[in-house]
Amino acid sequence: DVKVTQSSRYLVKRTGEKVFLECVQDMDHENMFWYRQDPGLGLRLIYFSYDVKMKEKGDIPEGYSVSREKKERFSLILESASTNQTSMYLCASSLWGRGQFFGPGTRLTVL
Amino acid sequence: AQSVTQLGSHVSVSEGALVLLRCNYSSSVPPYLFWYVQYPNQGLQLLLKYTSAATLVKGINGFEAEFKKSETSFHLTKPSAHMSDAAEYFCAVSGRNSGYSTLTFGKGTMLLVSP
Repeated sequence: DVKVTQSSRYLVKRTGEKVFLECVQDMDHENMFWYRQDPGLGLRLIYFSYDVKMKEKGDIPEGYSVSREKKERFSLILESASTNQTSMYLCASSLWGRGQFFGPGTRLTVL
Repeated sequence: AQSVTQLGSHVSVSEGALVLLRCNYSSSVPPYLFWYVQYPNQGLQLLLKYTSAATLVKGINGFEAEFKKSETSFHLTKPSAHMSDAAEYFCAVSGRNSGYSTLTFGKGTMLLVSP
């Protein structure tokens, strides 16, 4: 089975802090994705990556950046966390033309 | 551009009753379509997918969905609901213009199952 792991299940940070969310997949998938999930809004794509060192903006990239130095790892960075970035963050990976496999999520609270 | 509309943010059924969750899509190219389930405090799990083969797709946990091009629909059904089916369900569409890689999700439908 595909396994996608995220570094933390719950995270509490303060406004202005730099925040790193890590995601690792173990099935050699080319594609990796970061979403945020908010009640009533569903899942919204922040960034995705087709290959190492490649990144593409999703629907809501403002306030976020990403890094993919190795194929199995995709990091989401909040340069200066704000309270409106309090959310559930979900990482996913996939092969071309296949469904995405999701990690368990990180619930981030910014105080 | 592609989009997904899920009718009903909440659906309530009794245990043993038919489950029907509605999904309509909009896509300018032949789509791939997916249903995911999310249990509380967990990530999303793939239930089933349509990728231009058979229009009736069977998934895990007794769920199935039928792709109807004329109605631009991909409704999810299960003949008999179990208490364990209570969760949030998401429909998603992917198109050739993204290499069938990125997904556009609906806003989700919460399924409530009563005894």
